[in-house]
Amino acid sequence: DIQMTQSPSTLSASVGDRVTITCRASQSISTWLAWYQQKPGKAPKLLIYKASSLESGVPSRFSGSGSGTEFTLTITSLQPDDFATYYCQQYNTYWTFGQGTKVEIK
Amino acid sequence: QLQLQASGPGLVKPSETLSLTCTVSDGSISSETYYWGWVRQPPGKGLEWIGSIYYSGTTHYNPSLKSRVTLSVDTSKNQFTLQLTSVTAADTAVYYCARLNYNWGQVGAMYYFEYWGQGKVVAVSS
Repeated sequence: DIQMTQSPSTLSASVGDRVTITCRASQSISTWLAWYQQKPGKAPKLLIYKASSLESGVPSRFSGSGSGTEFTLTITSLQPDDFATYYCQQYNTYWTFGQGTKVEIK
Repeated sequence: QLQLQASGPGLVKPSETLSLTCTVSDGSISSETYYWGWVRQPPGKGLEWIGSIYYSGTTHYNPSLKSRVTLSVDTSKNQFTLQLTSVTAADTAVYYCARLNYNWGQVGAMYYFEYWGQGKVVAVSS
């Protein structure tokens, strides 16, 4: 099984901050990684696929990078709508999610 | 616009079978492009992949749930179904159905969860 580990688990930030979330895979997954945003009571929403490809309609302040075992999701200027929980997911071998990173208001 | 709607009982007794159906609207489940899948989320916890199915019936299951899970597809009704047997309180969760899209890789198509339904709350309790 491929394990996905996100850090930090919780992140406190202010509007306008640059935010970075890290996701590590227990073995190489090439660039087969997606990022999702989830708000309370809502379904996850796809932000990034193939590590760095921005899903249509997602604001350009979101970006993804990495390959192999280490990946990052960056939000360049945090907006009020961005306070949510973010999950990474590998799709190299079946599908596994990270445990999530909650971005909360500082 | 694509819609996925999960339906089924919101309360299941321990040891019984959980059955959910996902109805796809404004999109064809028979499209050769997509896989279809289920993910669940226990209260206050993270996301867990349950299984995925192609319109032809090809399935992939989470190894940790494989002995209890069956996915099926009904192309005539544009639906796919999840059955989870011998449920316990640990199976209490929001169950999401989703559509998977793909990128081409060296070994073939690599599928990611592109679009999600709004989720169905299922509690396991006597």
